[in-house]
Amino acid sequence: AQSVSQHNHHVILSEAASLELGCNYSYGGTVNLFWYVQYPGQHLQLLLKYFSGDPLVKGIKGFEAEFIKSKFSFNLRKPSVQWSDTAEYFCAVNYNFNKFYFGSGTKLNVKP
Amino acid sequence: DGGITQSPKYLFRKEGQNVTLSCEQNLNHDAMYWYRQDPGQGLRLIYYSQIVNDFQKGDIAEGYSVSREKKESFPLTVTSAQKNPTAFYLCASSGGLSDTQYFGPGTRLTVL
Repeated sequence: AQSVSQHNHHVILSEAASLELGCNYSYGGTVNLFWYVQYPGQHLQLLLKYFSGDPLVKGIKGFEAEFIKSKFSFNLRKPSVQWSDTAEYFCAVNYNFNKFYFGSGTKLNVKP
Repeated sequence: DGGITQSPKYLFRKEGQNVTLSCEQNLNHDAMYWYRQDPGQGLRLIYYSQIVNDFQKGDIAEGYSVSREKKESFPLTVTSAQKNPTAFYLCASSGGLSDTQYFGPGTRLTVL
């Protein structure tokens, strides 16, 4: 079965620090890649996605992610985090235009 | 105002009772999904439906049942056969199986 791994379960940063959250997925054919975010008390929402083309994709609120096919990775980055980025972040992979698989999530706490 | 609604937000049931969770969308999406979210485990797919009158088992379908009689509705029944039903349940929809998923606010089910 396919799987998605997020190795950082809980990250604590100070404001203005740089962020990188890891996401690795198992081989399974054609993949579409997503990062979702869940702010406290809010719905899960899309942060960014990669289907094809430029492997560096930009999303909302200054986030970006890089698809590295050879490493089966889709890491999320932000150069300078803000307190309002405190949330839980989920990596998701869609295999072969079929089911989605989600990682276990990373809780980010940004200290003001 | 387009989106996905789930009701109720909190639900309490006695052990041994079946319970049905509601999910409605007005996004005109073909695909709908049910996930279960447990702390530290991310989202796990219970059932999904690509089109009306058709649905497929996800990774943890045992003890659950669904129906898709209307495009906008995808109710989930948690049966008494589900061994550990207390969880947070999320419904989502998308235009197609590989498209961005839009999530509802969730229902927190507690079985006493």
